[in-house]
Amino acid sequence: NAGVTQTPKFQVLKTGQSMTLQCAQDMNHNSMYWYRQDPGMGLRLIYYSASEGTTDKGEVPNGYNVSRLNKREFSLRLESAAPSQTSVYFCASSLQGPDTQYFGPGTRLTVL
Amino acid sequence: GENVEQHPSTLSVQEGDSAVIKCTYSDSASNYFPWYKQELGKGPQLIIDIRSNVGEKKDQRIAVTLNKTAKHFSLHITETQPEDSAVYFCAPYNYGQNFVFGPGTRLSVLP
Repeated sequence: NAGVTQTPKFQVLKTGQSMTLQCAQDMNHNSMYWYRQDPGMGLRLIYYSASEGTTDKGEVPNGYNVSRLNKREFSLRLESAAPSQTSVYFCASSLQGPDTQYFGPGTRLTVL
Repeated sequence: GENVEQHPSTLSVQEGDSAVIKCTYSDSASNYFPWYKQELGKGPQLIIDIRSNVGEKKDQRIAVTLNKTAKHFSLHITETQPEDSAVYFCAPYNYGQNFVFGPGTRLSVLP
């Protein structure tokens, strides 16, 4: 039981490049989330998926897209990376809504 | 949207002492109140939570108290140990806003 896994762990991009962050969970959870964490700050919700087949915007969705590929996988795409997107990105899952969130180890992204 | 604050932002205590962190929120519709612990280089991990129909919950050295009228809930850690050193986040939840994380409190337990 691996919990929530994220790939890659580290990534450096140049401004304008695109990339996809991958997230998978093996706990049969319905809800999945993408957060960003900037230095010295709390986590801010980018997008979430309350259940398979649905996605909704969070607090800071601009510049990102998501895909809930199936119940296990939830990916985050940066179409044209900007330096302001330099951050640590966390994926999380929960059984349903207001319940314990389980977080992945994070992806540290730097955009030059 | 929901406005979440934590006090204090940093806290240093001697090993064995107690620590209290307060979280205030603005949305009276919030109905689920978790606390997360984040160690350096790791993702947050739930340590305790409470729902809106309960005033207090305890789990060994950790407790959470909720005051819905005043819109705040607090994390209490007794008999602190060096491994309690971390950043702690509150994240009140309501169906309209989802989870909104506070800015965090850095706790240092001095041996």
